Amino acid sequence: GAGVSQSPSNKVTEKGKDVELRCDPISGHTALYWYRQSLGQGLEFLIYFQGNSAPDKSGLPSDRFSAERTGGSVSTLTIQRTQQEDSAVYLCASSEGSINQPQHFGDGTRLSIL
Amino acid sequence: AQSVAQPEDQVNVAEGNPLTVKCTYSVSGNPYLFWYVQYPNRGLQFLLKYITGDNLVKGSYGFEAEFNKSQTSFHLKKPSALVSDSALYFCAVTPQIGDDKIIFGKGTRLHILP
Repeated sequence: GAGVSQSPSNKVTEKGKDVELRCDPISGHTALYWYRQSLGQGLEFLIYFQGNSAPDKSGLPSDRFSAERTGGSVSTLTIQRTQQEDSAVYLCASSEGSINQPQHFGDGTRLSIL
Repeated sequence: AQSVAQPEDQVNVAEGNPLTVKCTYSVSGNPYLFWYVQYPNRGLQFLLKYITGDNLVKGSYGFEAEFNKSQTSFHLKKPSALVSDSALYFCAVTPQIGDDKIIFGKGTRLHILP
């Protein structure tokens, strides 16, 4: 079946512009996660959605970052007034919701801020 | 607070030799433990998990991992390495009870030398 889909796969934008990154999780998965990965390094947790519960936003690095998940499915991560340090790969993952279930990752959006 | 450590940034192994990628963890109570692999320009792929039961867990691509509660370790192993095993490997942990956020290690780059 279809896996987690992220778009765009690459995004180049100028400093100060806003960007929107999209994630289509696996159908039926109630949990959705956003991570940031810099230059093949470790994963930095950003935000976590579980069903209809309030999202865990504890990993968002600043108020320029926000995310929403509409209808319990598609999620959008928005970065306002982008800075060069925002350049990274943004990964989305979904899971069946139970914490003992593995996460399924998309291939990420590579964001480059000029 | 829970944490996971991958003490080696890089591991080099000759093709055909056994490989081990180390992981130690710290959680309150019993853990759920995971290994993921990441190939270039791809998202993470689930390899195996420990939930309960047998301490030796078998996963994809011939990998296995051994849960050692007394040493709080979950090392990834493979009896005979392939060049195609070269990738970035992540260990991850979450407590069975409490915080449902999974914590990823910083990753270990595995190089299999032909």
